[in-house]
Amino acid sequence: SQKIEQNSEALNIQEGKTATLTCNYTNYSPAYLQWYRQDPGRGPVFLLLIRENEKEKRKERLKVTFDTTLKQSLFHITASQPADSATYLCALGGREYGNKLVFGAGTILRVKS
Amino acid sequence: GAVVSQHPSRVICKSGTSVKIECRSLDFQATTMFWYRQFPKKSLMLMATSNEGSKATYEQGVEKDKFLINHASLTLSTLTVTSAHPEDSSFYICSARDSAARGVNTEAFFGQGTRLTVV
Repeated sequence: SQKIEQNSEALNIQEGKTATLTCNYTNYSPAYLQWYRQDPGRGPVFLLLIRENEKEKRKERLKVTFDTTLKQSLFHITASQPADSATYLCALGGREYGNKLVFGAGTILRVKS
Repeated sequence: GAVVSQHPSRVICKSGTSVKIECRSLDFQATTMFWYRQFPKKSLMLMATSNEGSKATYEQGVEKDKFLINHASLTLSTLTVTSAHPEDSSFYICSARDSAARGVNTEAFFGQGTRLTVV
């Protein structure tokens, strides 16, 4: 069965550093991958989408890479700030899943000042 | 940006009663909406796909008679948890995509979520 893995342990980093979060998947070939931010007690908020034919996408301080050979996506936040502290979810979609999204469990990021 | 409004944000109900959760797309139309359930520190689990004007599509293991979904208009979907039990206590979240947006791999907009506690 399909499986999506994100770092189960929280990532603690110092303000100003680059945070790198990992999303690995198995038994699935998604047409696209998305990253969302979720704050406690709130619904997820869309951040970035990257398609299978794209290697890298950037948006302000955010960068996402997509390696379909390794079946992995990396999500980077440069010049991190305490306000970036949240849970980050990766979601896969397309092909047999159509317009559905399959989510990973998320990684908690804590940025300390 | 597009907004999805979910109501109520919190609800406490007695065991055996029913609870209705509303999900509205405020500035776009959505022929399809999705209902998720999330347990603490766990991923969002898709429960069902709500289709405007037709029956919802439920994921394997989700009881359709327990979780009634109605998608009466292009901007409103409701989830009713019938005969609620303590094990139904969870965080329920809806999402929608703009039907006018090109392609299927567009971003999903999520509601604020509903914390249901059954006592």
